[in-house]
Amino acid sequence: NAGVTQTPKFQVLKTGQSMTLQCAQDMNHEYMSWYRQDPGMGLRLIHYSVGAGITDQGEVPNGYNVSRSTTEDFPLRLLSAAPSQTSVYFCASSPGHSGNEQFFGPGTRLTVL
Amino acid sequence: AQRVTQPEKLLSVFKGAPVELKCNYSYSGSPELFWYVQYSRQRLQLLLRHISRESIKGFTADLNKGETSFHLKKPFAQEEDSAMYYCALRATGGFKTIFGAGTRLFVKA
Repeated sequence: NAGVTQTPKFQVLKTGQSMTLQCAQDMNHEYMSWYRQDPGMGLRLIHYSVGAGITDQGEVPNGYNVSRSTTEDFPLRLLSAAPSQTSVYFCASSPGHSGNEQFFGPGTRLTVL
Repeated sequence: AQRVTQPEKLLSVFKGAPVELKCNYSYSGSPELFWYVQYSRQRLQLLLRHISRESIKGFTADLNKGETSFHLKKPFAQEEDSAMYYCALRATGGFKTIFGAGTRLFVKA
C-alpha cells in the first residue's frame, strides 16, 4: 500500500492563480481531511469528508473548495490564491471507527507570491 | 466548540530528565484524545491514544476529565524524542479531529 499520497510536493503560485492539490489513499478509508500547518498555529482543519459525495467545512474553509467523487481521492482547490494561503498542506485519512488514528500524507509546501 | 490548547510552544530538557508536554481541551461531550508526533523530515504519525492506555516509546498520557487535560509524560527523555508533538481531540464516534498548536520538544545531550 502506498498509504496517503499528495502531489505536488512543492508549488509556487502568483496571487490570483488557481490550483488543485491532489490527495489519494489506497486504504479504503471513509474519512479524509485537509489541514494547513502554520508556525505557532499548529494544524488547522480546512475541509473534511466522511465518505464519497459528502464534505463539510472545518475551522478555516474560506478560499478553498473540495469534492469527494470517489473514496480514494480528495482534491483541494484554491480558487484565487492569496499570500495568506502560503502554508504546508497535509491530507489525512482514517477508517470510520472510533479510536482510529489518522494517516497523514507527506505534505505540500505552497508559496503564494 | 472543540478546542485544544498546548501552552508551550517550545520545551527544552536535558537527556535523562523527565518531560511533560501539556494539553488541555474544551469539549462538552465525550472526547477521544490523541498525541501525534512529527520527527524531522517525517510524516505526522500517531504516538498514542487515550482509549488504548498504552505506553509508546516510554511515553504515557492519562485523560483527566475533571481537569480536561491529557498531558504527555516520559520519565527519562532521549535525544531521539526531539520532535514536534501535537495533541488532538475528536468527539467519540465522530470524524472531525481538531489539533492543538503543537509543542516542539528539544532534548539536549
